[in-house]
Amino acid sequence: GAGVSQSPSNKVTEKGKDVELRCDPISGHTALYWYRQSLGQGLEFLIYFQGNSAPDKSGLPSDRFSAERTGGSVSTLTIQRTQQEDSAVYLCASSSRTGYSYEQYFGPGTRLTVT
Amino acid sequence: GENVEQHPSTLSVQEGDSAVIKCTYSDSASNYFPWYKQELGKGPQLIIDIRSNVGEKKDQRIAVTLNKTAKHFSLHITETQPEDSAVYFCAASSGSARQLTFGSGTQLTVLP
Repeated sequence: GAGVSQSPSNKVTEKGKDVELRCDPISGHTALYWYRQSLGQGLEFLIYFQGNSAPDKSGLPSDRFSAERTGGSVSTLTIQRTQQEDSAVYLCASSSRTGYSYEQYFGPGTRLTVT
Repeated sequence: GENVEQHPSTLSVQEGDSAVIKCTYSDSASNYFPWYKQELGKGPQLIIDIRSNVGEKKDQRIAVTLNKTAKHFSLHITETQPEDSAVYFCAASSGSARQLTFGSGTQLTVLP
């Protein structure tokens, strides 16, 4: 079946502009995660949605970052007033959480470049 | 919070040899340990995982071992092939936290 999809695949923006990144999880997956991967680095957790529960925003680096998940499916990560240090690959993952199923499946990512 | 350390950062092996990547974690509550393979320009791909009630798991040429007492786990790849070349990440998660804490990655190069 279809995997996690993300759009756009690449985004170049000027410093100070707002950007929106989109994630379509695997159909039926109730959990959705956003991670950030800076050049040559590991993945850094940003935010986690599980069903209708309040999201876990503990990884968001500043109040310029926000995310929403509409209808329990598609999610949008918004970065306001972008800074050069926001340049990274933003990865989305989804998980089924059935029983003890914790497996997270990642999308291809959105490469954000702030100039 | 959880902290995951991964070694080595780079690893080169000859085709057909074995490769071992090691990780340690800090949170004794962690109970799920996946390994991901990331090829250039792609998202991480789950290749194997292990839960804390199991000491070892094997899937064809790859295996993972877990030592809960020492809080470390390892990825073993046998009979390496050039297509195994990629960045490998270990991660850890506790049941309540759900999000994964990743190691810093290992660039594996398999030389033909």
